[in-house]
Amino acid sequence: DIVLTQSPGTLSLSPGEGATLSCRASQSVGSSYLAWYQQKPGQAPRLLIYGASSRATGIPDRFSGSGSGTDFTLTISRLEPEDFAVYYCQQYGNSPPWTFGQGTRVEIK
Amino acid sequence: EVQLEESGGGLVKPGGSLRLSCAASGFTFSSYGMNWVRQAPGKGLEWVSSISTSASFLYYADSVKGRFTISRDNAKNSLYLQMNSLRAEDTAVYYCARDSGQYCGGDCPGDYWGQGTLVTVSS
Repeated sequence: DIVLTQSPGTLSLSPGEGATLSCRASQSVGSSYLAWYQQKPGQAPRLLIYGASSRATGIPDRFSGSGSGTDFTLTISRLEPEDFAVYYCQQYGNSPPWTFGQGTRVEIK
Repeated sequence: EVQLEESGGGLVKPGGSLRLSCAASGFTFSSYGMNWVRQAPGKGLEWVSSISTSASFLYYADSVKGRFTISRDNAKNSLYLQMNSLRAEDTAVYYCARDSGQYCGGDCPGDYWGQGTLVTVSS
């Protein structure tokens, strides 16, 4: 099974700053089947990025994804107050079908 | 508007059973694979099970294999998760999620998620 390791565990930043979140896979993620989700307290996850770099419908362009193989990055160019949340990476298209990273919390500094 | 609504959660004793349901609306349910994902209190997301459009393919996490059964009724636009032999470590919010594309065959993330139903396993 592919294991996804996210870093850092927590990111403390101020509104307006940029954020860089990392997701490393234990083996290559085929066809860049890597997604990113945002989750706020008491809410369901929201799909942000799929295919490593494609934004989902309605996602602001301050969110961008990059990477391939085993190393992937989610970048938030300028943090808005509503962006403080937990972010998960996910691989799909392998066996098992879905695997999630442990999450990165982006908190207000 | 795509909507997914889970139900059936509650408090159950260890060794007990529970059946979760997910009612879907706003899309052609029979064209989409569906998934269950859970989240223990204060923890991260854990994939539980997936089912293909016609239920020909079923997938389970090792942690639930042999105890949980996923199913669907395309005529009723509903997804189910039968949970048997429940353990304390099954305590979590259970989400149903739709594949982001039609007939993905497992090659899609989840684009729509329900709000979840809480399952608590405790004596």
